[in-house]
Amino acid sequence: GNSVTQMEGPVTLSEEAFLTINCTYTATGYPSLFWYVQYPGEGLQLLLKATKADDKGSNKGFEATYRKETTSFHLEKGSVQVSDSAVYFCALSGFSGNQFYFGTGTSLTVIP
Amino acid sequence: DADVTQTPRNRITKTGKRIMLECSQTKGHDRMYWYRQDPGLGLQLIYYSFDVKDINKGEISDGYSVSRQAQAKFSLSLESAIPNQTALYFCATSDRSRTDTQYFGPGTRLTVL
Repeated sequence: GNSVTQMEGPVTLSEEAFLTINCTYTATGYPSLFWYVQYPGEGLQLLLKATKADDKGSNKGFEATYRKETTSFHLEKGSVQVSDSAVYFCALSGFSGNQFYFGTGTSLTVIP
Repeated sequence: DADVTQTPRNRITKTGKRIMLECSQTKGHDRMYWYRQDPGLGLQLIYYSFDVKDINKGEISDGYSVSRQAQAKFSLSLESAIPNQTALYFCATSDRSRTDTQYFGPGTRLTVL
C-alpha cells in the first residue's frame, strides 16, 4: 500500500543550526511528494513539493529532493530561525481521488 | 478573509450527541476533504467529495457521515459521538486542474466526554 514514514520528534535546535527531517515513502506508481507545515493553532500549509524523480522542491530556505532510488524526500534547511518552529508533515499523492497519505508529523522547536 | 473556514473552532460534547462540523471555501475548488488528526498518527482521510453529487469514503469513515450542500460547503457529522472521536478535524480543498495541492482550513478541535 501507500505510506509515509518520517522521523520522529520532537526536534529541538538552536537558531542558525542545520535541519534535516527524514522522510521515506512506499507507493505504487509515481507519486507526487510534499512537505506541509503546521504552525501552532493553524491548519496545514504547503511548504514545497516535487512531482517527479530528481526534482527539488524549495521554499523559504527549505529544500527537499525526490529520490526514487532511495524512496526518500528529506527536508533540509541550512540555518533555522525561531519562526520555523512548527510541525512538519511529509505526504504523497497522485492516486485515485487525489488521496493524500501523510506522515505522523515532526515537531520542531528552534530556540534563540 | 481565510479561503477555507471551519466552524466551530472548538467544541466539547457528550457521548451519544449528534455533532456537525462545517466547512466553507471561497477558493472555487470543486474537491473537498475531511481529515482527522490524532497525536502520533498524522492525518487520516474520513471522506472526500469531487463535486456536489460525488462523495466517497476515506480510510476511516465509520461513525461519520458527510453532506455536500453546495460546491462551497462540505459538512461532517458524527451521528452519535464517542470519546475516541476526540481529535482535531481539518477540512481541505483542491482544484481538479491542480489536484496535486490541497488547501487546509484552520481545524476544529472536538472533545467528546
